[in-house]
Amino acid sequence: EAQVTQNPRYLITVTGKKLTVTCSQNMNHEYMSWYRQDPGLGLRQIYYSMNVEVTDKGDVPEGYKVSRKEKRNFPLILESPSPNQTSLYFCASSFGGSSSYEQYFGPGTRLTVT
Amino acid sequence: GQSLEQPSEVTAVEGAIVQINCTYQTSGFYGLSWYQQHDGGAPTFLSYNALDGLEETGRFSSFLSRSDSYGYLLLQELQMKDSASYFCANRDDKIIFGKGTRLHILP
Repeated sequence: EAQVTQNPRYLITVTGKKLTVTCSQNMNHEYMSWYRQDPGLGLRQIYYSMNVEVTDKGDVPEGYKVSRKEKRNFPLILESPSPNQTSLYFCASSFGGSSSYEQYFGPGTRLTVT
Repeated sequence: GQSLEQPSEVTAVEGAIVQINCTYQTSGFYGLSWYQQHDGGAPTFLSYNALDGLEETGRFSSFLSRSDSYGYLLLQELQMKDSASYFCANRDDKIIFGKGTRLHILP
């Protein structure tokens, strides 16, 4: 089954404790992206990757890191989480270039930082 | 700055037609996508317009006017299951989403 998977689905952590949210897709997509969703603010892009070893900042990259060492994986790293990073996070993927209009989203990761 | 503006809420009656508008201001624009998101779920792709005009996909249609920097999503024969949030988004390397329109459907 074609899908984007994220883990964990739910996470409660404390301020400053490094964490990683994994994202994997099995559709051989070039483009991958991370979003956060907050009430009233819609989906905001954190980072995106056009292909392996190619990453770039989205609208709200502060406090986050990503890497793209393999085509299928695109982990999101919070080196020192803070309460303002409490949010719902989505990973998405699509074919690249002119086909990036149709993104496939993972199920989401609900993160709470206390 | 880059932005896509949508109404925050729209209400319609079951069986009717509803239009959700999106006006955009983006530096790079190649097309407009639409996504649906049910409560507790992930966004799912609905439709895309690269060129001016109407694209029809079953009960859903989407329209784009590049000269007006404007698009809309048209939902026909509304069903209760269409109650969800709808987002427009630009197609570019850096993707911007509108804040979403919550569609309420009355029986």
